[in-house]
Amino acid sequence: QQQVRQSPQSLTVWEGETAILNCSYEDSTFDYFPWYWQFPRESPALLIAIRPVSNKKEDGRFTIFFNKREKKLSLHITDSQPGDSATYFCAASPGTGGYKVVFGSGTRLLVSP
Amino acid sequence: EAAVTQSPRSKVAVTGGKVTLSCHQTNNHDYMYWYRQDTGHGLRLIHYSYVADSTEKGDIPDGYKASRPSQENFSLILELASLSQTAVYFCASSDTGGDQYFGPGTRLLVL
Repeated sequence: QQQVRQSPQSLTVWEGETAILNCSYEDSTFDYFPWYWQFPRESPALLIAIRPVSNKKEDGRFTIFFNKREKKLSLHITDSQPGDSATYFCAASPGTGGYKVVFGSGTRLLVSP
Repeated sequence: EAAVTQSPRSKVAVTGGKVTLSCHQTNNHDYMYWYRQDTGHGLRLIHYSYVADSTEKGDIPDGYKASRPSQENFSLILELASLSQTAVYFCASSDTGGDQYFGPGTRLLVL
């Protein structure tokens, strides 16, 4: 049972374009949604995260849009750079005792110069 | 600097042999996790722990054991390594907030 789904599986954009990565979840008890990125042969690292009290979280060129009613969220990367090329994982955890994080299968982003 | 370290960074093991992967964190976090990542795939939770001397099964615990002798240390044990356990293994730690901090990973090849 895949509780966190990501699409597309892979995405290629040109440098300067906006990349949009999608994520959806099933469990209504999920209350915290971090995104991690992973560069080749490196470990995942926290990029940005959001709680459902807000529907938008921005950090520089990275923005999470959150739709609680539809159980969907998306990560927008504006002015994409080749250095943004990585695999992006959407994750979710319950708000209470939220120590168990469920990861999506990831979106592989390639930014072409 | 707070960190999660893993050892060894890579290992070649023989089928049927015993493998122990070690993880040490200086984040002062209560929660520690072991994940495996297969080439081109996401992270799957094997075991986790929220207090010393106690471990919990994750989503794919079969063939793996875990040990948490102290807050800082968390080990993953493969009693009888199999070919299907070839993967990259990541250890992570977190506080109750959920943000996970990953170690550099261990590349395990079982022959």
